[in-house]
Amino acid sequence: AQSVTQLGSHVSVSEGALVLLRCNYSSSVPPYLFWYVQYPNQGLQLLLKYTTGATLVKGINGFEAEFKKSETSFHLTKPSAHMSDAAEYFCAVSSPYGGATNKLIFGTGTLLAVQP
Amino acid sequence: GAVVSQHPSRVICKSGTSVKIECRSLDFQATTMFWYRQFPKKSLMLMATSNEGSKATYEQGVEKDKFLINHASLTLSTLTVTSAHPEDSSFYICSARRGSPSSYEQYFGPGTRLTVT
Repeated sequence: AQSVTQLGSHVSVSEGALVLLRCNYSSSVPPYLFWYVQYPNQGLQLLLKYTTGATLVKGINGFEAEFKKSETSFHLTKPSAHMSDAAEYFCAVSSPYGGATNKLIFGTGTLLAVQP
Repeated sequence: GAVVSQHPSRVICKSGTSVKIECRSLDFQATTMFWYRQFPKKSLMLMATSNEGSKATYEQGVEKDKFLINHASLTLSTLTVTSAHPEDSSFYICSARRGSPSSYEQYFGPGTRLTVT
């Protein structure tokens, strides 16, 4: 079974500061990993994903994440926070295989607040 | 692109009535669609997986007679909340996956806010 743990349900940073949102996963097979962003009353937008290959993946809006197998982590970072980054962020894991077992398992989310 | 729409975006209904929510993939064929429910300040809970032309697969604890899912075409899935009650009030989000059996990426709709009075 797969699972995702997001440490810190709320993270607050100052504008211009580093953003670090933590995600750890559990999976019996090499997983696919995703970060999504959700603005109030909206659906989810994919920020970035890791499937295979380079472990440092870059996404939209200046975000990036690094897959660290030894630490079972996929933390999301952005060097300099912007006010528009304030939103809820979800880490998710799925199996690399297709078919009925290919579901997204979401973490509990981290609400990012950006202070002026 | 891969755009998924939902209709309506918001709906208010009276207790005991039924509400239908549509999920459409606008520019691709989706053999699989997913329905999620999100409680306030909570994560997404997968309710069911819907494959075109077959019965939906419901997650444990989700009442299939209450949440009717129909995936009638490769671009449309509907979720009907039957005999809705205030506890069914929630944010419902659908997602769609392309037709390739090995495809993994889901594209999400904008969500539907259901309020049952």
